[in-house]
Amino acid sequence: GAGVSQSPSNKVTEKGKDVELRCDPISGHTALYWYRQSLGQGLEFLIYFQGNSAPDKSGLPSDRFSAERTGGSVSTLTIQRTQQEDSAVYLCASSLDLHPLFFGEGSRLTVL
Amino acid sequence: KQEVTQIPAALSVPEGENLVLNCSFTDSAIYNLQWFRQDPGKGLTSLLLIQSSQREQTSGRLNASLDKSSGRSTLYIAASQPGDSATYLCAVRGNYQLIWGAGTKLIIKP
Repeated sequence: GAGVSQSPSNKVTEKGKDVELRCDPISGHTALYWYRQSLGQGLEFLIYFQGNSAPDKSGLPSDRFSAERTGGSVSTLTIQRTQQEDSAVYLCASSLDLHPLFFGEGSRLTVL
Repeated sequence: KQEVTQIPAALSVPEGENLVLNCSFTDSAIYNLQWFRQDPGKGLTSLLLIQSSQREQTSGRLNASLDKSSGRSTLYIAASQPGDSATYLCAVRGNYQLIWGAGTKLIIKP
């Protein structure tokens, strides 16, 4: 696609529910990142995918968080048993190896 | 461990002024440095990327410089406009991982 696409743009859920956030990177980009940004805060790294290599999951805050990338393209970030502290904007970015990083508009998650 | 600092945290200037935003980093072993802007409630927009072998990059009214030896990059904005108001972030790439500054919130007063 022309840019990084994320869905949904907004998600309101109840505490304890599971949510899935989707990222469709720029076509041909080998690297895909997930970040989290809480209100008024900086970017928090979550997970990184590069080609067929094992992902770097070092930023995932708990085992309730998981992500996969199918066919080296679309990625899904899953949060199980959501908590109020999970409320944030989840940003996806992609790049071709070490070339410029491009971001999607983000998915705003609100956990009630 | 790489650390990235952006000073000032906030800046307010009248429209039309030229201004400089600063980004400093502690480890000079980098692949590149990228500047972004973020508008409220939006994702990040890439502005400029400087490879480690480069000294500067220009795009329109923006000019970014890189001095690896001193661990500094600057983003120069010429003839600032109210539409330039945003938070500006720099990110340093050591390998695949990017280390982010906390950003400079820029307000251009009409």
